[in-house]
Amino acid sequence: DAKTTQPTSMDCAEGRAANLPCNHSTISGNEYVYWYRQIHSQGPQYIIHGLKNNETNEMASLIITEDRKSSTLILPHATLRDTAVYYCIVRPDSSYKLIFGSGTRLLVRP
Amino acid sequence: DAGVIQSPRHEVTEMGQEVTLRCKPISGHNSLFWYRQTMMRGLELLIYFNNNVPIDDSGMPEDRFSAKMPNASFSTLKIQPSEPRDSAVYFCASGLRGITDTQYFGPGTRLTVL
Repeated sequence: DAKTTQPTSMDCAEGRAANLPCNHSTISGNEYVYWYRQIHSQGPQYIIHGLKNNETNEMASLIITEDRKSSTLILPHATLRDTAVYYCIVRPDSSYKLIFGSGTRLLVRP
Repeated sequence: DAGVIQSPRHEVTEMGQEVTLRCKPISGHNSLFWYRQTMMRGLELLIYFNNNVPIDDSGMPEDRFSAKMPNASFSTLKIQPSEPRDSAVYFCASGLRGITDTQYFGPGTRLTVL
């Protein structure tokens, strides 16, 4: 499975957009990009996933570069409750496995 | 929907005792996963069931660990005998394999082995 690289930590102000980057330069054509987050003392929570096109749902937007070697998760209006560890995961279409790395610890400041 | 339900939420036991963790997946889901999370090793997949059948148990640490899924609505993870190094948070997740492949996690069981 392709490896991902994320910054260890980031912060943003409440109400502003949070842009979380992820590098996956070895991604293969059949591999999806998934984002999960884990709020303190809770189980991981699915956010969004995509293959080639940009995706948006009620939680976030996912922007995937044209060469698919990197992506950005966007939380348009971050709130204090968005403080969490965010995991970027690359997974083949045929695989059931989610391999969690260290993620990015996002702190949303008041 | 109630989501994935795990019990107990916290378990404290002494070394050598048997520990049983329980999971009720989301109704209608056909896949179930057990994960373990520690500070040192992060989140690791222990075992994966599809349609109640264990498909991949390569993540199970050793013979002291066993998991069962007797029906579509219940699974257990048992540790016997428990050791202090088993202290961790254990998560159960379920999903619809072949449909969305999104995994939905439970709240976890925090296990402390003294």
